[in-house]
Amino acid sequence: RKEVEQDPGPFNVPEGATVAFNCTYSNSASQSFFWYRQDCRKEPKLLMSVYSSGNEDGRFTAQLNRASQYISLLIRDSKLSDSATYLCVVEYSSASKIIFGSGTRLSIRP
Amino acid sequence: GAVVSQHPSWVICKSGTSVKIECRSLDFQATTMFWYRQFPKQSLMLMATSNEGSKATYEQGVEKDKFLINHASLTLSTLTVTSAHPEDSSFYICSAEGQLNGYTFGSGTRLTVV
Repeated sequence: RKEVEQDPGPFNVPEGATVAFNCTYSNSASQSFFWYRQDCRKEPKLLMSVYSSGNEDGRFTAQLNRASQYISLLIRDSKLSDSATYLCVVEYSSASKIIFGSGTRLSIRP
Repeated sequence: GAVVSQHPSWVICKSGTSVKIECRSLDFQATTMFWYRQFPKQSLMLMATSNEGSKATYEQGVEKDKFLINHASLTLSTLTVTSAHPEDSSFYICSAEGQLNGYTFGSGTRLTVV
């Protein structure tokens, strides 16, 4: 079983729609969680950290469920520019390393 | 903000030759640097973790003698792909961890071995 698992998609949704992704992780020792965005042929860029209490940044909402070991990302009022691959990232602070999920491809159509 | 410079951005080399990729943290000291490889339509796979002044820790399945990592200073880490073969063609990305900056990625190196 992979340490971090995501639905690869692709998710193809119309502009303005709400879309949600989930990501599961296997190691309960995981300590920090992030969502990264990666555009085609570019490096990943941090979208947002994920906190236990859940957090929101504009149209983006991230949530963490430690009991079920998953994190989620919700995008409201999606824009064409949201088209990208979204990577779930889990940090093991004790080992000082981060593990990427396989990514979920999102395509927003006009 | 924190910046990580990675060079070269792309390289084409002949099979059997070696290629060195540099990763520099420009405005912060990187206590730990990570090297990832990404094949087309796949996610980043961690290859190794390096700490300044010590040997790199390689992930399972990554040949340490083929992918040489040197982290000689707090601002520079290098990855050398030795005796490169076409199957080593990939997108290599470094990431640097600073004490206050979290993780910052380089822009990546696209390696093509012909």
